Amino acid sequence: GNSVTQMEGPVTLSEEAFLTINCTYTATGYPSLFWYVQYPGEGLQLLLKATKADDKGSNKGFEATYRKETTSFHLEKGSVQVSDSAVYFCALTSNQAGTALIFGKGTTLSVSS
Amino acid sequence: ETGVTQSPTHLIKTRGQQVTLRCSSQSGHNTVSWYQQALGQGPQFIFQYYREEENGRGNFPPRFSGLQFPNYSSELNVNALELDDSALYLCASSLDRGLHNEQFFGPGTRLTVL
Repeated sequence: GNSVTQMEGPVTLSEEAFLTINCTYTATGYPSLFWYVQYPGEGLQLLLKATKADDKGSNKGFEATYRKETTSFHLEKGSVQVSDSAVYFCALTSNQAGTALIFGKGTTLSVSS
Repeated sequence: ETGVTQSPTHLIKTRGQQVTLRCSSQSGHNTVSWYQQALGQGPQFIFQYYREEENGRGNFPPRFSGLQFPNYSSELNVNALELDDSALYLCASSLDRGLHNEQFFGPGTRLTVL
């Protein structure tokens, strides 16, 4: 079945460091890929998405490219801030059961000043 | 524009009881999905409703049931609660059931089963 695997955390970085959170997926068909973020005490928010191969999603300095050949959707940011501290979830939409979002387990990012 | 809202915020129940959680979808959205998020895990898909009909179901037992109303708000009912049902329950709405549509999440209901 469809699934998402993302790197385990926690990831601890200093402010202005480069961030990569790896995400790979298994899917049939042509899913859309998403990164969601969950800030402490808040609900899930969409960070960025890509709907087809080679698409690049970007938002708030974060980027991810839909790579069909490597089945990956790695999240990157060139210079992280303390305010980026949160849990990041990689997800894909699957039409195996409605249009469900299939999530990875999440990666906790902690940025210190 | 009002976002997705859920009630109650927190709930404590005992094993064997029944619970109903409620979700109001974002204005103009006809599709609602429910997810269970255990502590330290990613959300798991429970089921989806589109225009008052169930449109897909994840790997959850039948004691998890739902409903969508004509105004597209929704309920999640869980019967015969078990300790493992303790989790954050998230509702998400989308414009339609298409594969590429963004799902907008509510803040969740934290259910504790004792």
